[in-house]
Amino acid sequence: NAGVTQTPKFQVLKTGQSMTLQCAQDMNHEYMSWYRQDPGMGLRLIHYSVGAGITDQGEVPNGYNVSRSTTEDFPLRLLSAAPSQTSVYFCASSYSRGGGQNEQYFGPGTRLTVT
Amino acid sequence: GIQVEQSPPDLILQEGANSTLRCNFSDSVNNLQWFHQNPWGQLINLFYIPSGTKQNGRLSATTVATERYSLLYISSSQTTDSGVYFCAVLRYGQNFVFGPGTRLSVLP
Repeated sequence: NAGVTQTPKFQVLKTGQSMTLQCAQDMNHEYMSWYRQDPGMGLRLIHYSVGAGITDQGEVPNGYNVSRSTTEDFPLRLLSAAPSQTSVYFCASSYSRGGGQNEQYFGPGTRLTVT
Repeated sequence: GIQVEQSPPDLILQEGANSTLRCNFSDSVNNLQWFHQNPWGQLINLFYIPSGTKQNGRLSATTVATERYSLLYISSSQTTDSGVYFCAVLRYGQNFVFGPGTRLSVLP
């Protein structure tokens, strides 16, 4: 298994540009989520999905869109990048949102800089 | 929502020393994980431990769910143990909540 994969690893954007961060998992996990981590801070939840076709907002959703058309993929879209979105972005997946064996696995992260 | 605290916030050790990191949470949880974020930013799963004790080499963890805390023990620390240690908890039907982390520096 590749686990959770993210592309790209690094990205530099100009203010106002749009882009999509890709995330995929091959563990047949229902629950997927996106976090951002700013310097010296913990992880904050942006959006999450409990299954294909179902998404919801987390703690810091503004400026980001998500969709979940398949179980495997959960892309994060920045519609109009702003310097405040400079951060490291992590995608994660787990079997479900609660109950049972529910270990969460993280991708390697995407380091985004907006100038 | 549930609150997660970690202590100490920072820890500096000499190589070979032992340490204990603590995670307190404010409500009952179904799941608890410990992660290590290495200096390159990777988040590595250490333990999935909603209750009980587990050991993996020099690391072990204990969660006392009834008292709402978990401990991560690192024995004979090595420079490669440096980084930030996060605990994350999950209540059924909710999202994972991360603690603020403990930053560990192991000096040679």
